[in-house]
Amino acid sequence: RKEVEQDPGPFNVPEGATVAFNCTYSNSASQSFFWYRQDCRKEPKLLMSVYSSGNEDGRFTAQLNRASQYISLLIRDSKLSDSATYLCVVNLGAGKSTFGDGTTLTVKP
Amino acid sequence: NAGVTQTPKFQVLKTGQSMTLQCAQDMNHEYMSWYRQDPGMGLRLIHYSVGAGITDQGEVPNGYNVSRSTTEDFPLRLLSAAPSQTSVYFCASRTPGNTEAFFGQGTRLTVV
Repeated sequence: RKEVEQDPGPFNVPEGATVAFNCTYSNSASQSFFWYRQDCRKEPKLLMSVYSSGNEDGRFTAQLNRASQYISLLIRDSKLSDSATYLCVVNLGAGKSTFGDGTTLTVKP
Repeated sequence: NAGVTQTPKFQVLKTGQSMTLQCAQDMNHEYMSWYRQDPGMGLRLIHYSVGAGITDQGEVPNGYNVSRSTTEDFPLRLLSAAPSQTSVYFCASRTPGNTEAFFGQGTRLTVV
């Protein structure tokens, strides 16, 4: 079993749609959690951190459920510019981070 | 701001050749990591370091060596290139704790 598993996707949605991505992790000792965005095989860039209390940044909301070892990302009012691959990342401590395989989102006009 | 710099950006190797991928960061980050990304997959951890003189293996370390003689530099050495090592390689750095990782622009390596 992979340490971090994401919805395989791809997700194809119209502009304005709400879309949700899910991610599960297997190591209960995981310390911190993030969503990264990656465009066209460029380098990943931080989208947002994920906290148990929830974290909202404009149209994006991230949530962590430690009991279920589950992370989510909600995108509201999707824009064409949101088309990308979204990577779930778990920091295990001591410098080690594990990435999910990513979920590809395509937003269509 | 240079951030994380990787060189070269592109490389073609013949099977059996060796080479070093360079990674340098100017943010004084203690943690540095190397990942490879194959088509349709996420990033897999090759090796990582929590400080100068300290390195450890990640998920896919075979065929690669690293060293960390300074805080700034973390080179990745391919000992004897194989076609299975054709991939995009990313270097990243961050500070300890629950912090964001910063990535270089990647090295696209093809082994023929």
